[in-house]
Amino acid sequence: KAGVTQTPRYLIKTRGQQVTLSCSPISGHRSVSWYQQTPGQGLQFLFEYFSETQRNKGNFPGRFSGRQFSNSRSEMNVSTLELGDSALYLCASSLAGGPVFDTQYFGPGTRLTVL
Amino acid sequence: DQQVKQNSPSLSVQEGRISILNCDYTNSMFDYFLWYKKYPAEGPTFLISISSIKDKNEDGRFTVFLNKSAKHLSLHIVPSQPGDSAVYFCAAKGNYGGSQGNLIFGKGTKLSVKP
Repeated sequence: KAGVTQTPRYLIKTRGQQVTLSCSPISGHRSVSWYQQTPGQGLQFLFEYFSETQRNKGNFPGRFSGRQFSNSRSEMNVSTLELGDSALYLCASSLAGGPVFDTQYFGPGTRLTVL
Repeated sequence: DQQVKQNSPSLSVQEGRISILNCDYTNSMFDYFLWYKKYPAEGPTFLISISSIKDKNEDGRFTVFLNKSAKHLSLHIVPSQPGDSAVYFCAAKGNYGGSQGNLIFGKGTKLSVKP
């Protein structure tokens, strides 16, 4: 079974631009979560999608948004990029997203550099 | 305020010996704990998890211990191998009902296993 895939793997943008990152979950997984990893803050939760609905959101500004499609693929968008948005963005998928916890499996990440 | 803390940024161990990685948490609502391993330029790889109703879970060379009264968990790797050299993240999930997305991570411990 293929793992979580993320595209692109590397991205360079300039301040003020916007960016869209894509994540394809493991086949059959319906929950997709996004995390930001920076050296200073570590891994921080951005948001989670399940059945095309955002179900949980971390403490990030509204410039960070996402969506999920009917095939469970997800995208996240960052508008008006700032230097501090430079980070590794990780996507994780899990099976059903019900009350019993399902392990989250991570993709390789997208390394975003904002100049 | 950091809810999940890994107080040792790094740990060096000789091959064949035991590696013990520690994690402390503050939120008594956490009901599930996980350990992930991360190599550079890759996403975190799930290692082992434990539910708060247990105090030990074992999987091959990896054992996780949970001490709820002390709000402390540890990962034991026996015997340690050079391929175990990576950054290890402790993560916790709160019992907020239904949502799967909100893993809270520690900042990681870099393990170096020397031949």
